[in-house]
Amino acid sequence: DAGVTQSPTHLIKTRGQQVTLRCSPKSGHDTVSWYQQALGQGPQFIFQYYEEEERQRGNFPDRFSGHQFPNYSSELNVNALLLGDSALYLCASSLGGTVHEQYFGPGTRLTVT
Amino acid sequence: GENVGLHLPTLSVQEGDNSIINCAYSNSASDYFIWYKQESGKGPQFIIDIRSNMDKRQGQRVTVLLNKTVKHLSLQIAATQPGDSAVYFCADLFSGGYNKLIFGAGTRLAVHP
Repeated sequence: DAGVTQSPTHLIKTRGQQVTLRCSPKSGHDTVSWYQQALGQGPQFIFQYYEEEERQRGNFPDRFSGHQFPNYSSELNVNALLLGDSALYLCASSLGGTVHEQYFGPGTRLTVT
Repeated sequence: GENVGLHLPTLSVQEGDNSIINCAYSNSASDYFIWYKQESGKGPQFIIDIRSNMDKRQGQRVTVLLNKTVKHLSLQIAATQPGDSAVYFCADLFSGGYNKLIFGAGTRLAVHP
């Protein structure tokens, strides 16, 4: 039973560039939530995808966008990268649009220089 | 507002002792609380949860206590082991309003032999 997987593991980008992060949910899960975790802080909710639609959104600018595919996998896109976007980006999967019993992936470490 | 925070940023304990990690929350409408453990280089891992209509719940070596009067949550770990060393986060959810978890900043637990 595959858990939540994310790719890539690490990524280095330059200010102003764009990045795409990918997530495959745990087998049987249909809901994907994305979080940003700055060093030394707790995860901050970015948005949630269920039934291929963005259902909930945290306090993040429009530079952060996403997509969910029919196989429930998801992408997080960040445009016009800023130094402050450097963080660990976590994907979590769950069932039925809820966040109960979320399973987190290992994250993608994004460094913006 | 939506805020979940922790009293102690770092907790050092001796192996075999009991550990208590505390958390304060501000949203009185929150109806679901979760404790997560995050080891270095990994995503958060679910430990235990509690609903707002309960004041205590026990798991394997862990107990969560909820005091709604003072909006306080605690995680007790019995007979702490070196493998318990990690950062612990509490998170709250108001399922009736928004369907997202709000995480606190975290407490680092260091277990010494």
